[in-house]
Amino acid sequence: GAGVSQSPSNKVTEKGKDVELRCDPISGHTALYWYRQSLGQGLEFLIYFQGNSAPDKSGLPSDRFSAERTGGSVSTLTIQRTQQEDSAVYLCASSPRTGVNEKLFFGSGTQLSVL
Amino acid sequence: KQEVTQIPAALSVPEGENLVLNCSFTDSAIYNLQWFRQDPGKGLTSLLLIQSSQREQTSGRLNASLDKSSGRSTLYIAASQPGDSATYLCAVDRDDKIIFGKGTRLHILP
Repeated sequence: GAGVSQSPSNKVTEKGKDVELRCDPISGHTALYWYRQSLGQGLEFLIYFQGNSAPDKSGLPSDRFSAERTGGSVSTLTIQRTQQEDSAVYLCASSPRTGVNEKLFFGSGTQLSVL
Repeated sequence: KQEVTQIPAALSVPEGENLVLNCSFTDSAIYNLQWFRQDPGKGLTSLLLIQSSQREQTSGRLNASLDKSSGRSTLYIAASQPGDSATYLCAVDRDDKIIFGKGTRLHILP
C-alpha cells in the first residue's frame, strides 16, 4: 500500500476483554515497530520486528501483551484481559531497514478506550 | 538506559519569528537522530534524519544539528508560519530501539 495502515482506527472495549490491533506496513519494509502513546505523554516503545522475529520483547508492559508478525508483513498486537490503564493510542511504524539510517513511516494509530 | 529529553514542553511564538527546539539524550552511542512532527489525532511524520557521522541536515525552512559527544540536537525553524503549529518529537536510534522524547508542543500565533 501507499502508507502504513492500522485497523481499527478506534476501539472501545470493556475491562477484561481481549483486543487485537492490526498493522499493515509499507510493502517491502522489513522493520516494524509498535509504540504506545498515552494522553499527554511521549511514545513508549513496545516491540520491534525485523522480518518475522522480535529480538527484544522487553518493552511489552506485561504478559497480557503479545505481538506477532507473519510473512514479514502484517503484524498484530494482542492485549488480553484489558485494563483501564491500557487506554492509549497504539502506533505502528515501518522502515526499509536496509541499513541503519532509514526513516520511520508511521500509521495513524488505533485509539483504544477501555471502559 | 537511553533517555531523551525535550525542552521546552510547549512554546508559543508570533508568526515570522525564527525558533529553536532542543533535544538531549543520555547515551551518545547512537546510529542516528530523527525529528518528527505530529499533528493532533495523527501519526508522526519524519522531518529530518541526521546520521551519527553528520553534524546537520536541512530541509526547506528546517535545519537540524547534532552534537553527539554532548548528547544534544536542535531543530531550527526559520520564518515560522501558523501551519508549523504541531508537536515536534526527536528520537534516537540504537540497537534496534528507537527512543522518543515527549515532544515540544509548538503554537505559532498569527
